[in-house]
Amino acid sequence: DIVMTQSPDSLAVSLGERATINCKSSQSVLYSSNNKNYLAWHQQKPGQPPKLLIYWASTRESGVPDRFSGSGSGTDFTLTISSLQAEDVAVYYCQQYYGTPYTFGQGTKLEIK
Amino acid sequence: QLQLQESGPGLVKPSETLSLTCTVSGGSISSSSSYWGWIRQPPGKGLEWIGSIYYSGNTYYNPSLKSRVTISVDTSKNQFSLKLKSVTAADTAVYYCARLTTWDGTMIFFDYWGQGTLVTVSS
Repeated sequence: DIVMTQSPDSLAVSLGERATINCKSSQSVLYSSNNKNYLAWHQQKPGQPPKLLIYWASTRESGVPDRFSGSGSGTDFTLTISSLQAEDVAVYYCQQYYGTPYTFGQGTKLEIK
Repeated sequence: QLQLQESGPGLVKPSETLSLTCTVSGGSISSSSSYWGWIRQPPGKGLEWIGSIYYSGNTYYNPSLKSRVTISVDTSKNQFSLKLKSVTAADTAVYYCARLTTWDGTMIFFDYWGQGTLVTVSS
């Protein structure tokens, strides 16, 4: 299984400031034949199901604000929120879809400082 | 807009079988560009992929659960289902159904999620 490890486990950021969440996979999720990273980010607000934010490591899902961005390749990835808004309080999960079993990171809880 | 809704008992006794159904609306479960999956989340914990199915009946299971899991599809009802046998308290979780989109015919990421349903295993 591909193990996904996120850091930090929790993060407190002031409104308007930048938030950065890291995700590391135990093996590369870059498919050499198409040069795509099989990595997604999901946001889960309290009491709600997860919501897809980013796929192919850096492509924003339709309707996702542009303050959310994803970067990285191979085994190391980052989700950045450029200017934190109150509605961004949530748990964020990275997830690999390079191979089954699909696996998620343990989650990073983002709060307002 | 595609919508998914889980249904089934909220309480299951230990050693019995957990059965849930996901009803898809706003789109066809027989779409060639969709796979359908189950994911669970124990209270206060992270997400675990259980398995996925294509409308043709092809299934993919998490090896950690494979011996106890069956996922099936009913195209006439636009539904797919989960059965998890021999449950214990460790199977207590919110169970989500979700759609996986495809790339080159391969299932990839989850892009639509149901609201989830809490299943408690207790006598």
